[in-house]
Amino acid sequence: NAGVTQTPKFQVLKTGQSMTLQCAQDMNHNSMYWYRQDPGMGLRLIYYSASEGTTDKGEVPNGYNVSRLNKREFSLRLESAAPSQTSVYFCASIRQGYEAFFGQGTRLTVV
Amino acid sequence: AQSVAQPEDQVNVAEGNPLTVKCTYSVSGNPYLFWYVQYPNRGLQFLLKYITGDNLVKGSYGFEAEFNKSQTSFHLKKPSALVSDSALYFCAVRDMNYGQNFVFGPGTRLSVLP
Repeated sequence: NAGVTQTPKFQVLKTGQSMTLQCAQDMNHNSMYWYRQDPGMGLRLIYYSASEGTTDKGEVPNGYNVSRLNKREFSLRLESAAPSQTSVYFCASIRQGYEAFFGQGTRLTVV
Repeated sequence: AQSVAQPEDQVNVAEGNPLTVKCTYSVSGNPYLFWYVQYPNRGLQFLLKYITGDNLVKGSYGFEAEFNKSQTSFHLKKPSALVSDSALYFCAVRDMNYGQNFVFGPGTRLSVLP
């Protein structure tokens, strides 16, 4: 029972580099979400996808793009990384009306 | 807009004593409330939720939470704390504006001392 799988677990980027964070869920959930976690701020929503083929901005979307490749996969892309994007990123999928299931996170450092 | 407050950054409790982690919320409409726990270098794990029904909700690992509508609170409790309960705890509310996304509080770090 894999649940939500995120890759990579750790990444160091130089300012201006790009990268894609991958997320896949095997629970057949429609809704998937990307959050960032910063100390003392809880988790903040970057983008979400309520269903396959749709994506929408969350609270802090600037500097990010997403792709809902299929029902299982939801990727997050940083086109030109900045030090302010140093954070821990979590992907989640949500069963309609119920709790969220989270991946183990990607710790990203931008230098 | 929905919001969640956790007034304590840190809670310290002795092993075997009861623990309470506080949460207050602000929502329009009926609240859907959740508690999650995060252990070091891990994702968030679901503990319990309140959707409707009894104000006292029981969840995983012996935790429970009391919903109080008049005080807009949803405090997490456990009768007897374990050292292994030491972790970061997040209260959350569903936000119907962002595709039923979760709005999280800032988190409370619980330390259970042996």
